[in-house]
Amino acid sequence: GENVEQHPSTLSVQEGDSAVIKCTYSDSASNYFPWYKQELGKGPQLIIDIRSNVGEKKDQRIAVTLNKTAKHFSLHITETQPEDSAVYFCAAINTGNQFYFGTGTSLTVIP
Amino acid sequence: KAGVTQTPRYLIKTRGQQVTLSCSPISGHRSVSWYQQTPGQGLQFLFEYFSETQRNKGNFPGRFSGRQFSNSRSEMNVSTLELGDSALYLCASSFLTGDTDTQYFGPGTRLTVL
Repeated sequence: GENVEQHPSTLSVQEGDSAVIKCTYSDSASNYFPWYKQELGKGPQLIIDIRSNVGEKKDQRIAVTLNKTAKHFSLHITETQPEDSAVYFCAAINTGNQFYFGTGTSLTVIP
Repeated sequence: KAGVTQTPRYLIKTRGQQVTLSCSPISGHRSVSWYQQTPGQGLQFLFEYFSETQRNKGNFPGRFSGRQFSNSRSEMNVSTLELGDSALYLCASSFLTGDTDTQYFGPGTRLTVL
């Protein structure tokens, strides 16, 4: 089955700096890669996603890049704000629609 | 559109009891997946239902079961509860137009087993 590794497990940045979270996957059949943000006491919320026919996608301060050859994808948050503090999860999905999640990154943005 | 709703939000049970959790997907969504989230194991896939049929199943014991109704609402049941079943149980729904589709999560049910 698929194996998704996510790094780092914790990340602290100063407000206004950028944050980068990286994930690798093992199954070359995976073709959809969403990122979720989970705040305390809430379920994960989709923040951005990318499909395997695209190399990069951007939505305001958030961007995701995908390198299919190397089997890794990354989340980039620019101009971080305190409200970006949360746990972020990556996921890789294959054609069977089975979701495999990374272990999460706890991001703290220091004001 | 209303989001995914889960009931109850919090539940306290004792070892040996059984529990049933409910999930109402986003209107029009036909696929419902269940996950167990714990601090040590992260998000672990339990099972997925589509059109009342279990499509995928994770690596959990038979004490964990689920079903989906014709209106796409889903329930999961855990029998003979163990202390290790304490977790946040998340439900996610998707429209599933093709092989893969975005999943939208509910707020979860926090189960505590004493």
